[in-house]
Amino acid sequence: NAGVMQNPRHLVRRRGQEARLRCSPMKGHSHVYWYRQLPEEGLKFMVYLQKENIIDESGMPKERFSAEFPKEGPSILRIQQVVRGDSAAYFCASSPPSGLARHNEQFFGPGTRLTVL
Amino acid sequence: QKEVEQNSGPLSVPEGAIASLNCTYSDRVSQSFFWYRQYSGKSPELIMSIYSNGDKEDGRFTAQLNKASQYVSLLIRDSQPSDSATYLCAVNLKEYGNKLVFGAGTILRVKS
Repeated sequence: NAGVMQNPRHLVRRRGQEARLRCSPMKGHSHVYWYRQLPEEGLKFMVYLQKENIIDESGMPKERFSAEFPKEGPSILRIQQVVRGDSAAYFCASSPPSGLARHNEQFFGPGTRLTVL
Repeated sequence: QKEVEQNSGPLSVPEGAIASLNCTYSDRVSQSFFWYRQYSGKSPELIMSIYSNGDKEDGRFTAQLNKASQYVSLLIRDSQPSDSATYLCAVNLKEYGNKLVFGAGTILRVKS
């Protein structure tokens, strides 16, 4: 599967637990983006990462949320001490390296649906 | 003023008709514009990208960009019931770097 991969597809957590969402970009892509889609709302940017670097985290809530994209392995979006308001679909997208044609086209993974009980 | 605005719809068209979806954006120096299709419960799927003024055609889809009017549209010819989905306009606002700013989406319903 050459597309963006996310797991788990569905995640249920109780209030106060931690949620870890994983994203593997499309083959050959080096830029990863996380977006959140709340019920009945639009897609909102959260964070943009390249390998071992956070490039733009302007959309990340100030507390409880963190993201990383290590040298090896998938990108991780981590939500500590989840609350009911964190229930949403979390999408990861990836794009090719800068300098390539169409480098700013972003392709989305299937998403992780987080439900906080 | 919202950065990217779309009419939420629903826009209803009969099968075989042309569906016209519109989007306006606030940033005059935006460089890149995208249309995504999102079926209920699924992830956004990139269907068109456009970077310069004018029209860009791909199969039944045509994207139109007018930077002077800060307007981008998507035309779907010969609409099919399978085109029924939410269409998201996304703009790469220059001052925001690589991130995409999305409109709220327009719901399209194609009636057979």
